[in-house]
Amino acid sequence: AQKITQTQPGMFVQEKEAVTLDCTYDTSDQSYGLFWYKQPSSGEMIFLIYQGSYDEQNATEGRYSLNFQKARKSANLVISASQLGDSAMYFCAMREGQGGYGGSQGNLIFGKGTKLSVKP
Amino acid sequence: AAGVIQSPRHLIKEKRETATLKCYPIPRHDTVYWYQQGPGQDPQFLISFYEKMQSDKGSIPDRFSAQQFSDYHSELNMSSLELGDSALYFCASNRDRSSYEQYFGPGTRLTVT
Repeated sequence: AQKITQTQPGMFVQEKEAVTLDCTYDTSDQSYGLFWYKQPSSGEMIFLIYQGSYDEQNATEGRYSLNFQKARKSANLVISASQLGDSAMYFCAMREGQGGYGGSQGNLIFGKGTKLSVKP
Repeated sequence: AAGVIQSPRHLIKEKRETATLKCYPIPRHDTVYWYQQGPGQDPQFLISFYEKMQSDKGSIPDRFSAQQFSDYHSELNMSSLELGDSALYFCASNRDRSSYEQYFGPGTRLTVT
């Protein structure tokens, strides 16, 4: 079974508008971490934001915020004021707890990604 | 700030050849992860090392092996290359077990012809 599900293969958004990229996850661990990475066409993986399973507040990093709904097992990424440079592939990922706080150990499990295109 | 270094950045090999990919983690990072990302795919975990010992294994073919050296750099050795091994190979590193962020290198793009 998929541990990370991203149901939107592709999304379009108008420049300066906000966009939400969906991510649901499946785990029976109490301690886990949720991540979003951006992968532009050049290929590098750029860390955007992290949410630990014990964090009570939603994570925010500049224009990025993570809408964490633990009961629904969802961790949607919200990008405010989209820019042309935001056009890229976005991956949601999870690290299940192997000790440590908030899933600080262990490899990442990625979703299939969402390709975001920002229109001028 | 120093980042994860991977070399080479691009590699072209023929079928049945061998390849060695190198990863230099951020200084004082003791954990290294290797991922393989096929064309249009999500990254798949291959193998990880903590303090120079293998700590976890994912979907790594038996033709591949890896190790972490005393200076914490890691090498992924790939033998009997197949066309399906063509992919972007990422190395990522963690500072220590209390740090959540996994820092990715720029990747090595391997093309097998």
